[in-house]
Amino acid sequence: GAVVSQHPSRVICKSGTSVKIECRSLDFQATTMFWYRQFPKQSLMLMATSNEGSKATYEQGVEKDKFLINHASLTLSTLTVTSAHPEDSSFYICSARNAGGVYGYTFGSGTRLTVV
Amino acid sequence: AQTVTQSQPEMSVQEAETVTLSCTYDTSESNYYLFWYKQPPSRQMILVIRQEAYKQQNATENRFSVNFQKAAKSFSLKISDSQLGDTAMYFCAFIQLTGANSKLTFGKGITLSVRP
Repeated sequence: GAVVSQHPSRVICKSGTSVKIECRSLDFQATTMFWYRQFPKQSLMLMATSNEGSKATYEQGVEKDKFLINHASLTLSTLTVTSAHPEDSSFYICSARNAGGVYGYTFGSGTRLTVV
Repeated sequence: AQTVTQSQPEMSVQEAETVTLSCTYDTSESNYYLFWYKQPPSRQMILVIRQEAYKQQNATENRFSVNFQKAAKSFSLKISDSQLGDTAMYFCAFIQLTGANSKLTFGKGITLSVRP
């Protein structure tokens, strides 16, 4: 079945530095990828939608300059948290939709980001 | 805008018993899909079951079944013969089929604990 690989699974970084999270579709082409943020015991909050080869669409309230999203190929999307601060600490999850449409919603295993 | 409501934050069930998780949604669309996702302690999002709105027959997947009431906009999940491995957060989700960037809308989730 469709597999989405997300790396790293955990990362600790110093305040002020940048962190890149990768999301790869291993056995299908992902035309669209979604990035979510999740706080403990809460639901997934959509941050942005990325389409291969075009600019990401950010949800209201999400800082575009802080959360840089790149979807350069049909198998790779990256989320870069720039100038990270402790309040950016969270669980980030990507999801990919394959060219087949609705049935292609597959989630990565998530990245736990801790900013110290 | 679509909304998904899960009003029960937590539920507990004895192993081998049956439990029903509630979900209601609101939409003006006629073509959509509904999903239940499971998020165990590993935090990997796992698709449990999906229902196409145009299908009258309720979806079933082994011990998991739904009660889809389209007119009432209700989509409950029944877990039969509950197992310890069913302990997880469960999210109800909705997606409309129209629009190039249609995206999943999640409910707040419910924490299910299966007692031995």
